[in-house]
Amino acid sequence: NAGVTQTPKFRVLKTGQSMTLLCAQDMNHEYMYWYRQDPGMGLRLIHYSVGEGTTAKGEVPDGYNVSRLKKQNFLLGLESAAPSQTSVYFCASSTRTEQYFGPGTRLTVT
Amino acid sequence: AQSVAQPEDQVNVAEGNPLTVKCTYSVSGNPYLFWYVQYPNRGLQFLLKYITGDNLVKGSYGFEAEFNKSQTSFHLKKPSALVSDSALYFCAVRDVYGGATNKLIFGTGTLLAVQP
Repeated sequence: NAGVTQTPKFRVLKTGQSMTLLCAQDMNHEYMYWYRQDPGMGLRLIHYSVGEGTTAKGEVPDGYNVSRLKKQNFLLGLESAAPSQTSVYFCASSTRTEQYFGPGTRLTVT
Repeated sequence: AQSVAQPEDQVNVAEGNPLTVKCTYSVSGNPYLFWYVQYPNRGLQFLLKYITGDNLVKGSYGFEAEFNKSQTSFHLKKPSALVSDSALYFCAVRDVYGGATNKLIFGTGTLLAVQP
């Protein structure tokens, strides 16, 4: 089992560019999440999904969109990147109690 | 409002000494509580959880945590620290208003530094 994987691992964008982060899990979990991690702020939930074809907003959804077309994949999109979106992004999938995290994507927006 | 507080940004301890990383929470009802660890440039790894039952919960790598309902705390402990325990530790509580979503609310993290 690979668990939760994320691509890419690193990315540098210019302001206004777009990109998609891919999260994949092979544990057949229904629930998936996207977080951002910033120094001193812990992890903040961006969007989440409770099953294929469903998505919902988390704590800090502005500037991001998501899609869950397949149960194993959860995509996070930035349509027009801003410097404030420089962060480390983590994907997670969940059983009914425990969340399992991917290795993260470090994104820099210049 | 629901919240998790980790009052110490950093905890320093000598190798071989006991360690405690503090966590307090504010949620209504019976909380589901978690500890995760993050090593440099890695994702978060699950350490342990409290859902119900014995207030002392044992987890991975020799860590344990004590649930104290009257003090609304869930402190992480280890009897003898190792240099390899140096990492960022996060406390989390399940969002009680999240329904069946299993959303978690995280603290801001505590950096544990174990000196040789």
